Amino acid sequence: QKEVEQDPGPLSVPEGAIVSLNCTYSNSAFQYFMWYRQYSRKGPELLMYTYSSGNKEDGRFTAQVDKSSKYISLFIRDSQPSDSATYLCAMSGRTGNQFYFGTGTSLTVIP
Amino acid sequence: DAGVTQSPTHLIKTRGQQVTLRCSPKSGHDTVSWYQQALGQGPQFIFQYYEEEERQRGNFPDRFSGHQFPNYSSELNVNALLLGDSALYLCASSLDRGGLLTEAFFGQGTRLTVV
Repeated sequence: QKEVEQDPGPLSVPEGAIVSLNCTYSNSAFQYFMWYRQYSRKGPELLMYTYSSGNKEDGRFTAQVDKSSKYISLFIRDSQPSDSATYLCAMSGRTGNQFYFGTGTSLTVIP
Repeated sequence: DAGVTQSPTHLIKTRGQQVTLRCSPKSGHDTVSWYQQALGQGPQFIFQYYEEEERQRGNFPDRFSGHQFPNYSSELNVNALLLGDSALYLCASSLDRGGLLTEAFFGQGTRLTVV
């Protein structure tokens, strides 16, 4: 069993839709949870960085962490064609030394 | 403020050869981690350098080695290249705050093709 599971998609939505992206994990020691956006053939770009359970909002993006269910989510409101990319979830233990990534979800926002 | 920079951006090598990839961390960061990302997969942790020493290592063979310099920049070396080493190699930098790392920022990666 992989430490982090993420549905690879692909996911296709119309412009303006609300997008929900999810990851599950098995290691209860994970305490830091990140979402990265990766455009084709580019490096991952940090979108959200959260610690432990709860919600965090930044503009059109909301990250949710439910440690009791070992489940994290990223919501994108009013999605735009420029949001079309692969979204990677990542998590780490207390020190943050090593990140464990999901496989990424490919998202296409159709104008 | 320059972010994380990696060089070269692309590289083609022959099986059995050796390769060196370079990374300059974000200004103010002192910790460099290297990841390998195969096509269609998430990045896999290779190792992390802090204070010029390898602090943690993932499940990669000894053919993968690294170095960190006093200015915090880093190199990743891969010996005896295999076709399976073809991937995007990513460098991430962060700041160590008393043993706890801040969020990590990635460079644009070096795409290595082994033929």
